[in-house]
Amino acid sequence: GENVEQHPSTLSVQEGDSAVIKCTYSDSASNYFPWYKQELGKGPQLIIDIRSNVGEKKDQRIAVTLNKTAKHFSLHITETQPEDSAVYFCAAMEGNDMRFGAGTRLTVKP
Amino acid sequence: DSGVTQTPKHLITATGQRVTLRCSPRSGDLSVYWYQQSLDQGLQFLIQYYNGEERAKGNILERFSAQQFPDLHSELNLSSLELGDSALYFCASSVERGTIYFGEGSWLTVV
Repeated sequence: GENVEQHPSTLSVQEGDSAVIKCTYSDSASNYFPWYKQELGKGPQLIIDIRSNVGEKKDQRIAVTLNKTAKHFSLHITETQPEDSAVYFCAAMEGNDMRFGAGTRLTVKP
Repeated sequence: DSGVTQTPKHLITATGQRVTLRCSPRSGDLSVYWYQQSLDQGLQFLIQYYNGEERAKGNILERFSAQQFPDLHSELNLSSLELGDSALYFCASSVERGTIYFGEGSWLTVV
């Protein structure tokens, strides 16, 4: 089955800096890669996703890149703000099987 | 608001007891998933249902069971509760092979 590894587990940045979270997956058949943001006491919310036929996708300050050959994908947040502080989860999906990374706790210091 | 509704939001119960968590998926979604998240832990997949049938099983204990009803709502039953079962339980839903949307979770505290 799919195995997703996520790094780093914690990340602290200064407001205005960029943050990058990386994930690797094991199943080359995986074709859908969503990212979720989870704020304290709330459910994970989808923030951006990418399918395997695309190398990069951007939505305002958030971008995701996918390298199918290397089987890794990354979340990039630019111009970070304190409200970006949360736990971020990557996931990889093959068919109906969705596997999540262990999460990254991002702290943006004002 | 994801459209996935979970009840109750908070629940405190004693060890050895049984509880039922309820989930209403987004309109049109046939798949329902259950996840467990302990303090500072990741999302542990428990079980998935599709249109009333069990589709995939994760790390679900034998003391736990779930079902999806004809109206597509789902229930997660947790019995013989232990202190270690205290966690946030999430329901999520999707169309087949689609994006998974999460509810706000049910906080379970076992005392």
